[in-house]
Amino acid sequence: DQQVKQNSPSLSVQEGRISILNCDYTNSMFDYFLWYKKYPAEGPTFLISISSIKDKNEDGRFTVFLNKSAKHLSLHIVPSQPGDSAVYFCAATVYGGSQGNLIFGKGTKLSVKP
Amino acid sequence: ETGVTQSPTHLIKTRGQQVTLRCSSQSGHNTVSWYQQALGQGPQFIFQYYREEENGRGNFPPRFSGLQFPNYSSELNVNALELDDSALYLCASSLPRVGGTEAFFGQGTRLTVV
Repeated sequence: DQQVKQNSPSLSVQEGRISILNCDYTNSMFDYFLWYKKYPAEGPTFLISISSIKDKNEDGRFTVFLNKSAKHLSLHIVPSQPGDSAVYFCAATVYGGSQGNLIFGKGTKLSVKP
Repeated sequence: ETGVTQSPTHLIKTRGQQVTLRCSSQSGHNTVSWYQQALGQGPQFIFQYYREEENGRGNFPPRFSGLQFPNYSSELNVNALELDDSALYLCASSLPRVGGTEAFFGQGTRLTVV
């Protein structure tokens, strides 16, 4: 039973265009969501997060959108750069709860082509 | 400020053996979590340590155990290794609560059980 789902295993985008990575969740108790980026041979790196009291959070080229009624969130990268090529993980948890109990999706491999 | 470091980076063990993986947490972080990432999957929460005590556990059998030391570094021990234990083991350090600061991951230990 997967509580956090990333249904697209891979995504290919041209440099300069928008990348949109999607994530769905099933547990309505989740109220805090995070995106991590992972390069080969490295650990995941925190990218951006959003609380359920917001529907949008922006940090430079990265924006996360949350649609609570649809239990869906998305990460937008604009403009995409070749250095953004990595695996992106969506994670969910309960705000104020244990940091350890992050529930991750399977990841989406983003390839940004020059 | 030092990051999260894990050792060793790679390890090959035989089924039935025992293994110990090590993690040094980021400076100022008193909470350490361990995750298992199987091929093609997202990280799965094993357990968390806070102030040298286990503070939450995922769906892993008792042969997965851990320790946290006064300097907040941590060990993950796995007894009676099985072939399915082959995975990337990630350590993440953080402050105790989500939203304070997000979890910082080490580069992982790649364990292969033959």
